[in-house]
Amino acid sequence: GENVEQHPSTLSVQEGDSAVIKCTYSDSASNYFPWYKQELGKRPQLIIDIRSNVGEKKDQRIAVTLNKTAKHFSLHITETQPEDSAVYFCAAKRNTDKLIFGTGTRLQVFP
Amino acid sequence: GAVVSQHPSWVICKSGTSVKIECRSLDFQATTMFWYRQFPKQSLMLMATSNEGSKATYEQGVEKDKFLINHASLTLSTLTVTSAHPEDSSFYICSASEDLSYGYTFGSGTRLTVV
Repeated sequence: GENVEQHPSTLSVQEGDSAVIKCTYSDSASNYFPWYKQELGKRPQLIIDIRSNVGEKKDQRIAVTLNKTAKHFSLHITETQPEDSAVYFCAAKRNTDKLIFGTGTRLQVFP
Repeated sequence: GAVVSQHPSWVICKSGTSVKIECRSLDFQATTMFWYRQFPKQSLMLMATSNEGSKATYEQGVEKDKFLINHASLTLSTLTVTSAHPEDSSFYICSASEDLSYGYTFGSGTRLTVV
């Protein structure tokens, strides 16, 4: 089955800097890659996603890139703000199969 | 957008008792719902896939007799933790999707504490 690895486990940046979180997946047939943001004690919220037929997708300050050959995808957050502090999870799945999550990255943005 | 409601948001129960958690899709029909468990500072681990009108599919290592799942309608799935023990204390989250080829919408989660 699918296995998703995520790095780093923690990331601290200064406000205004960029943050990059990377994930690798094992199933080459996976074709959908969402990213979730989870604040403490709350539900995960979908922030951006990408399909395997696209190499990059951007939504304001966040972007996701996908390298199908290397089987990895990354989340990029530019101009970070304190409210970006949360745990971020990547995930992967194939078609309507179950969604498998990475181990999470705790992002801290210092003012 | 799709809304998933989950109740209760938190519950404290005594060891040996059972607890039922409800998950509802409010504005769409969900033939499939998913139940995840999350321990502190850990990832979301899929416990089981709940299918309307049929038996749930459990992940390896999850005891189906302990975590009873019922998906009796297109908008409601329930998870019952039977004979709860302190090690069952965790954050349980359900999720559903209008279109399973995309991502899921999560419920607000239930923090279970077994004393």
